[in-house]
Amino acid sequence: GAGVSQSPSNKVTEKGKDVELRCDPISGHTALYWYRQRLGQGLEFLIYFQGNSAPDKSGLPSDRFSAERTGESVSTLTIQRTQQEDSAVYLCASSLGAYSYEQYFGPGTRLTVT
Amino acid sequence: DAKTTQPPSMDCAEGRAANLPCNHSTISGNEYVYWYRQIHSQGPQYIIHGLKNNETNEMASLIITEDRKSSTLILPHATLRDTAVYYCIVRVALRGGAQKLVFGQGTRLTINP
Repeated sequence: GAGVSQSPSNKVTEKGKDVELRCDPISGHTALYWYRQRLGQGLEFLIYFQGNSAPDKSGLPSDRFSAERTGESVSTLTIQRTQQEDSAVYLCASSLGAYSYEQYFGPGTRLTVT
Repeated sequence: DAKTTQPPSMDCAEGRAANLPCNHSTISGNEYVYWYRQIHSQGPQYIIHGLKNNETNEMASLIITEDRKSSTLILPHATLRDTAVYYCIVRVALRGGAQKLVFGQGTRLTINP
């Protein structure tokens, strides 16, 4: 079946512009996570959605970052007024539920801020 | 967040067993140890997880010491396709029962022909 998909695969933007990244989770997966991976580093947790509950935003690095999810489907991560330090690969993962042990990752969106 | 320590890189010959160590000395009693791997330019892939007993699946075996302060991931017959960065992770609880993955820098495993 289809896995987690993300778009765009690559995004180059100028400093100060806003960007929107999209994640399509696996159908039926109620839990969705966003992570960020800087070059040569491990993943940093950003935000978590579970069903219709309020999201856990504890990993968002600043108020320039926000994310939405409609029900149990698509999620968008928005970065406003992008800075060069926002350059990274943004990864989305989904899992069957809050207690599921396995997270399925998408291929990521590579964001470059010039 | 519990921290894990792994060697930055390792090499292994094709067909041999690859043994990847991980230290997690600050792990608490109810925290699981997870292993994921990331092949170049792809998202991470789940391998295996455990609490205190040794675990085995079709991909690998996980050996956890009795004091749970360290573990070893074993790939029994490494192939070239196993070349990847391997992350040892202790999951941290989020509100509502979910758990976030706290990644370190991992071990870059290179399988040599």
